[in-house]
Amino acid sequence: ELKVEQNPLFLSMQEGKNYTIYCNYSTTSDRLYWYRQDPGKSLESLFVLLSNGAVKQEGRLMASLDTKARLSTLHITAAVHDLSATYFCAVTLQGGSEKLVFGKGTKLTVNP
Amino acid sequence: NAGVTQTPKFRILKIGQSMTLQCTQDMNHNYMYWYRQDPGMGLKLIYYSVGAGITDKGEVPNGYNVSRSTTEDFPLRLELAAPSQTSVYFCATQREGSSYNEQFFGPGTRLTVL
Repeated sequence: ELKVEQNPLFLSMQEGKNYTIYCNYSTTSDRLYWYRQDPGKSLESLFVLLSNGAVKQEGRLMASLDTKARLSTLHITAAVHDLSATYFCAVTLQGGSEKLVFGKGTKLTVNP
Repeated sequence: NAGVTQTPKFRILKIGQSMTLQCTQDMNHNYMYWYRQDPGMGLKLIYYSVGAGITDKGEVPNGYNVSRSTTEDFPLRLELAAPSQTSVYFCATQREGSSYNEQFFGPGTRLTVL
């Protein structure tokens, strides 16, 4: 059974600081996704990571994937208040399955 | 394009009542999914469909039914509502054959069963 664990589950940080969210998964996977969810809203796709060593960046967020370690990281650089949200990683099973297994999410609060 | 639309946005049900959550997409995506999100948790897959006439169970299908008669619509049916089904329900679609295969989510339906 594929399990996805995120840590930390809650993260409070100051504006301007850097931090990393971790996503571990238990079995080999084809793809890893990062989503953002604002309170009371739907999920917005941030990154799709397909292969070992993949790195993607958008603004102050950078995601990477290490398939050997079954680990993805979401790095936040010089955080701003607008990044406050809950961030989810989700993983598909290897072999072409389209079913996503989600982590519990990391609730990020960026304080002025 | 409206993308993925869900109705209703909010609903309160009494125990034992039934209802259908509607999901419609105009992106011509073959794959569609229903998830539930409990407070403070990630999403869990209820049912999914890879095309009209084809559906399959996800991780938490008990208490739910689905049908897929058209590409556009994927309704989720609750037959005998229970308090444990209080949750936010998200419908999602996915384009078949894309390398990235990201899923696009609807705005959600917040359901309370009392």
